[in-house]
Amino acid sequence: EAGVVQSPRYKIIEKKQPVAFWCNPISGHNTLYWYLQNLGQGPELLIRYENEEAVDDSQLPKDRFSAERLKGVDSTLKIQPAELGDSAVYLCASSLKLAGGPYTGELFFGEGSRLTVL
Amino acid sequence: TQLLEQSPQFLSIQEGENLTVYCNSSSVFSSLQWYRQEPGEGPVLLVTVVTGGEVKKLKRLTFQFGDARKDSSLHITAAQPGDTGLYLCAGVKPDRGSTLGRLYFGRGTQLTVWP
Repeated sequence: EAGVVQSPRYKIIEKKQPVAFWCNPISGHNTLYWYLQNLGQGPELLIRYENEEAVDDSQLPKDRFSAERLKGVDSTLKIQPAELGDSAVYLCASSLKLAGGPYTGELFFGEGSRLTVL
Repeated sequence: TQLLEQSPQFLSIQEGENLTVYCNSSSVFSSLQWYRQEPGEGPVLLVTVVTGGEVKKLKRLTFQFGDARKDSSLHITAAQPGDTGLYLCAGVKPDRGSTLGRLYFGRGTQLTVWP
């Protein structure tokens, strides 16, 4: 079974340019996450979807970041315009929502999209 | 402010040595997960601990969840170069706005094991 697929793996852009990242989660996983990870740091949640609904986007910088998950499957994360401080790895993860209670399931991560803003 | 503090931040040891990494918080978690991440890859789940005081063993790795469910430790016996990676703890807290809990990651411990 295919894992979480992300593209592109690497992207180099100049500041103020737009950039978009794409994620295809594991088939059947209804919860999708976008995380930002700086070098040597833990992932920081940007947004979480349950099916097509964004249920937690409190950490998403909405002035320049946007995300969508059409039809509750693939997702796109966009940055416009990019700033130097946006250089990081953007990780997508998916999980299967468990019935009832707080989440305790496993997150499956993609390999990430490394963004360099010059 | 980081909800989960991991220590040490960096650890460099020789093959065969034992080590312990810690994950501490002042908050209570409903469960806690440990992930390992290798360069250029996403984190991969090692274990989930749910019950206070729980101990889980995975070959040479021993994971413990604190009695009060605020902290956890990972002990590796006879470390090998293949254990090299970024070890991340992640705690689950109930999220008022959702039936799902929210997962909070620590900053990780970068472990290097030299042959």
